[in-house]
Amino acid sequence: SQTIHQWPATLVQPVGSPLSLECTVEGTSNPNLYWYRQAAGRGLQLLFYSVGIGQISSEVPQNLSASRPQDRQFILSSKKLLLSDSGFYLCAWRRTGSEQYFGPGTRLTVT
Amino acid sequence: DAKTTQPNSMESNEEEPVHLPCNHSTISGTDYIHWYRQLPSQGPEYVIHGLTSNVNNRMASLAIAEDRKSSTLILHRATLRDAAVYYCILSRVYNNNDMRFGAGTRLTVKP
Repeated sequence: SQTIHQWPATLVQPVGSPLSLECTVEGTSNPNLYWYRQAAGRGLQLLFYSVGIGQISSEVPQNLSASRPQDRQFILSSKKLLLSDSGFYLCAWRRTGSEQYFGPGTRLTVT
Repeated sequence: DAKTTQPNSMESNEEEPVHLPCNHSTISGTDYIHWYRQLPSQGPEYVIHGLTSNVNNRMASLAIAEDRKSSTLILHRATLRDAAVYYCILSRVYNNNDMRFGAGTRLTVKP
């Protein structure tokens, strides 16, 4: 069966510090991968998606970036965090036309 | 992207059935109807999806109107653990990036 991992589970970072969140998927190959962000009490915002290694599409211009160095690894990064980057970050995978599965999430607090 | 409309909130009593409605009047022929739910502090969880016919699985049933302009997620016997935000989403068969989560319906289950 397929599983999706995210780490860390929680993170507290000062404004201006860098960020790296990692997501890995097991039990499937060539998945579509997604990063979402959910601000407190709000809906999910799609940030990035990838249909293959090195292929990244950005949905919202911001100070975040994403990379996919391996087939089942998806990384979300920032060089300098802003207060507005606080939120619940979710990684997800799916096959085209199929249902989507989410990881456990990383709760980021920027202070 | 085709849009869905859901009530902001609903209440149910424990052990009773719950019918969660979703309107999607601009649905196209290749749009699947997906339902997800998000429990507090967790990522969304896949519930069920369908195209034209009603669908059943261990979690719920999906009833799709004959004209496909609306659907209803049915929880046959609500439990306290079913309290969550329920999202109705349209996703086109060959599209990779159209899984967009709106506000959803917040379901409260009373003991």
